[in-house]
Amino acid sequence: GNSVTQMEGPVTLSEEAFLTINCTYTATGYPSLFWYVQYPGEGLQLLLKATKADDKGSNKGFEATYRKETTSFHLEKGSVQVSDSAVYFCALSLPFQETSGSRLTFGEGTQLTVNP
Amino acid sequence: DAMVIQNPRYQVTQFGKPVTLSCSQTLNHNVMYWYQQKSSQAPKLLFHYYDKDFNNEADTPDNFQSRRPNTSFCFLDIRSPGLGDAAMYLCATSLRGGGETQYFGPGTRLLVL
Repeated sequence: GNSVTQMEGPVTLSEEAFLTINCTYTATGYPSLFWYVQYPGEGLQLLLKATKADDKGSNKGFEATYRKETTSFHLEKGSVQVSDSAVYFCALSLPFQETSGSRLTFGEGTQLTVNP
Repeated sequence: DAMVIQNPRYQVTQFGKPVTLSCSQTLNHNVMYWYQQKSSQAPKLLFHYYDKDFNNEADTPDNFQSRRPNTSFCFLDIRSPGLGDAAMYLCATSLRGGGETQYFGPGTRLLVL
């Protein structure tokens, strides 16, 4: 079956530190890959996505590259801010099927705390 | 701005008292999803609609029902809430053929007393 594995959290960094959150996946077929961010008490916001191998998604200083050879989609940011403190979810979806929609398979989530 | 809206943001109900959560969208997406999320765990898919076609997940309790009267609106009905149903409920939408991206609303936090 399909699965997503994220690095265990929580992760605590100082402001301006480099961030990496590892994400690997297992999927049949050709998934699209996503990073969602969830701030306290809020819904999930799409952070970035990539739909095919070697694509790089980027947004707000965050980047992730779809690596088919290593089945990975690691999230990186060069200099984190206090406002980046949130839970980050890696996810995959496969092409639409009527019985499952564009089902999202999520990783466990990684809590990031950035201290001033 | 096109968006997914959920009302209310916070809902308090009593044990066993039916409750309805609502979701609306201005994205004109043909697929709508309901998720349950507990304690910052990964969201768990309850069911989805593709247009008017309802698709229930195999492990979604019968206590949870849904209605989609039109493209823009979708409702989650919990017929007899138990203490274990206290959670964040997230609505999401996607466009079939639109790259499979799901867009989430802000969520409704349900408290069961």
